[in-house]
Amino acid sequence: KAGVTQTPRYLIKTRGQQVTLSCSPISGHRSVSWYQQTPGQGLQFLFEYFSETQRNKGNFPGRFSGRQFSNSRSEMNVSTLELGDSALYLCASSRGEGGNEKLFFGSGTQLSVL
Amino acid sequence: TQLLEQSPQFLSIQEGENLTVYCNSSSVFSSLQWYRQEPGEGPVLLVTVVTGGEVKKLKRLTFQFGDARKDSSLHITAAQPGDTGLYLCAGVRGYQKVTFGTGTKLQVIP
Repeated sequence: KAGVTQTPRYLIKTRGQQVTLSCSPISGHRSVSWYQQTPGQGLQFLFEYFSETQRNKGNFPGRFSGRQFSNSRSEMNVSTLELGDSALYLCASSRGEGGNEKLFFGSGTQLSVL
Repeated sequence: TQLLEQSPQFLSIQEGENLTVYCNSSSVFSSLQWYRQEPGEGPVLLVTVVTGGEVKKLKRLTFQFGDARKDSSLHITAAQPGDTGLYLCAGVRGYQKVTFGTGTKLQVIP
């Protein structure tokens, strides 16, 4: 069974640009969560989607948005990039929604904002 | 506000030594998970503890959930270089999102 796939693996952008990251969950998993990981703040929850609906949202500005498609694939978008957005963005999938589900993480997208 | 504090933040030990990592919170969790993350990869779930006082063993790793379900510990016996990585605890409250701890970076020197 293929794991969680995130693309691209690395991304370099400049301030003010926007970026779209993609996540393909494990086949059969309907929930996708996104996390931002930085050395200073650790793993911070961005949002969770289940059956194309956003179920939970973390404390991030509106520049961070996401969506989920009918095949459970998910994308997250960051507009008007800032230097502080440089981070590893991780996607995790699970069979169902909610905290009791086992999370399977992808390898992440390393975003650098110059 | 960081709900889950891990200590120590960094740990560098020699192969064969024992170590304990702590995960503390003022909040009660329905369960607590431990993950290990290696450089360039996402976290991988090691174990989930559910019952207060529960102890789970995974080869040389022993996980314990506090009686009050507010804290947890991870003990590694005879650490190996392959144990090197970032260890993360994560608290679960019902159907709410998982909250990750601050992380403990472990380096085991051969």
